[in-house]
Amino acid sequence: DQQVKQNSPSLSVQEGRISILNCDYTNSMFDYFLWYKKYPAEGPTFLISISSIKDKNEDGRFTVFLNKSAKHLSLHIVPSQPGDSAVYFCAARDNTNAGKSTFGDGTTLTVKP
Amino acid sequence: NAGVMQNPRHLVRRRGQEARLRCSPMKGHSHVYWYRQLPEEGLKFMVYLQKENIIDESGMPKERFSAEFPKEGPSILRIQQVVRGDSAAYFCASSETATEAFFGQGTRLTVV
Repeated sequence: DQQVKQNSPSLSVQEGRISILNCDYTNSMFDYFLWYKKYPAEGPTFLISISSIKDKNEDGRFTVFLNKSAKHLSLHIVPSQPGDSAVYFCAARDNTNAGKSTFGDGTTLTVKP
Repeated sequence: NAGVMQNPRHLVRRRGQEARLRCSPMKGHSHVYWYRQLPEEGLKFMVYLQKENIIDESGMPKERFSAEFPKEGPSILRIQQVVRGDSAAYFCASSETATEAFFGQGTRLTVV
């Protein structure tokens, strides 16, 4: 039973356009959500997070939206750049434990020049 | 401030051998987490440790796998009698009490 799902294994967008990565979760105990970016042969790098008391968090070109009633979150990258090409993981946890996160299987983003 | 250090980066073991993976957390971090990533999958939580204590090992296979985080030195993930299905990338993360965890670069274990 996968509690965090990223239904799109891959996404390809043109440089300068918006990238939208989606994530769904099933566990209503999750109250903190994170996005990680991962390059091949490296560890995941924290990108942006959002608490369940918010519905939007923005950091530069990256914005995360949370729809708690739908148990859905999305990561928007605008404008997309070729250097954004990587695997993006959605993760969720309850706020009692900083490191124990449940990860989705990832979405491979390719930004074409 | 060095990040989370994992070694070795690559480890090849024959079936039946033991694998030892090391993780040195970031300075000042006393919480260590181990994750495993199988090909084409996300990271799966294995175990959460604080100094000298296992806090949560709900993701650890019941046999052959063990972890420790001694008072001095790195955290060790130990896999005894490795099998081909143990081939994966193993990531360690560390954190302070309630902040985001930071990941190391991982150890890629290949069992031949």
